Amino acid sequence: ILNVEQSPQSLHVQEGDSTNFTCSFPSSNFYALHWYRWETAKSPEALFVMTLNGDEKKKGRISATLNTKEGYSYLYIKGSQPEDSATYLCAFLGGSQGNLIFGKGTKLSVKP
Amino acid sequence: DTGVSQNPRHKITKRGQNVTFRCDPISEHNRLYWYRQTLGQGPEFLTYFQNEAQLEKSRLLSDRFSAERPKGSFSTLEIQRTEQGDSAMYLCASSMDSHGYTFGSGTRLTVV
Repeated sequence: ILNVEQSPQSLHVQEGDSTNFTCSFPSSNFYALHWYRWETAKSPEALFVMTLNGDEKKKGRISATLNTKEGYSYLYIKGSQPEDSATYLCAFLGGSQGNLIFGKGTKLSVKP
Repeated sequence: DTGVSQNPRHKITKRGQNVTFRCDPISEHNRLYWYRQTLGQGPEFLTYFQNEAQLEKSRLLSDRFSAERPKGSFSTLEIQRTEQGDSAMYLCASSMDSHGYTFGSGTRLTVV
C-alpha cells in the first residue's frame, strides 16, 4: 500500500508569518508530485507539478521543493495572508499510467 | 472551456435509495477520474477511465458502485442502496494522459 503523509495536520498562523508544510511519499517508482490548494466549496486548484529531483518551483509567495531520493517535498508560504487559508494537499503519481494518491492535507488558517 | 463540471453540487438521500452523479470533463481530456473524500481524509481514488474504457477500480468501489463513461465524454457514478457510510464528497477530475489534472467542485452526498 502506497502511503503519502502530510504534516502538520493543521496550522494556525498570524498574517505576515511565513510557514511551511511537509509531504512524504514513496521514493520508488516516482513519476510526479502534485500540490493542490483546496478552499471550502471550491475545486482543488493545482499549484505545482514537480517531476525532477531537486526541482524548486515558485508561484507568487508560494514555493515548493522536491527530493525524490529521500521521498519528501516542502511547500513554503512567505508572508501568509488570510486568503491563503485553505487545505493544502499533496499527491503522488507513481508511473504515467497510475493515478494520484493523496495525503490527508494540511489545513492552514491565517488570522488577520 | 469552463473546466470540469459536476452535478449536482449537493445530494441528500435516504438510506437504501439509489443516487447518480454526473461529471463533464474538459473536452479534450482523454482521462477521467473519480475520487471520494471523507472528513479528515484526503481524496481516495475510486476509478478511472481512458476514453470510454474503465481501466482501474479501487477496492473501495464495492459492487453497489458503478461508473460509466459512454462515448468517452461525460461520466456517471451510480451508488445503489446507499448506506450512511457513503456520505462523502465525490470528486471528479480529468487529464490528458497523465498531465494537467483538473478537478471539479465535487458532489457532496449526505445519506440520512
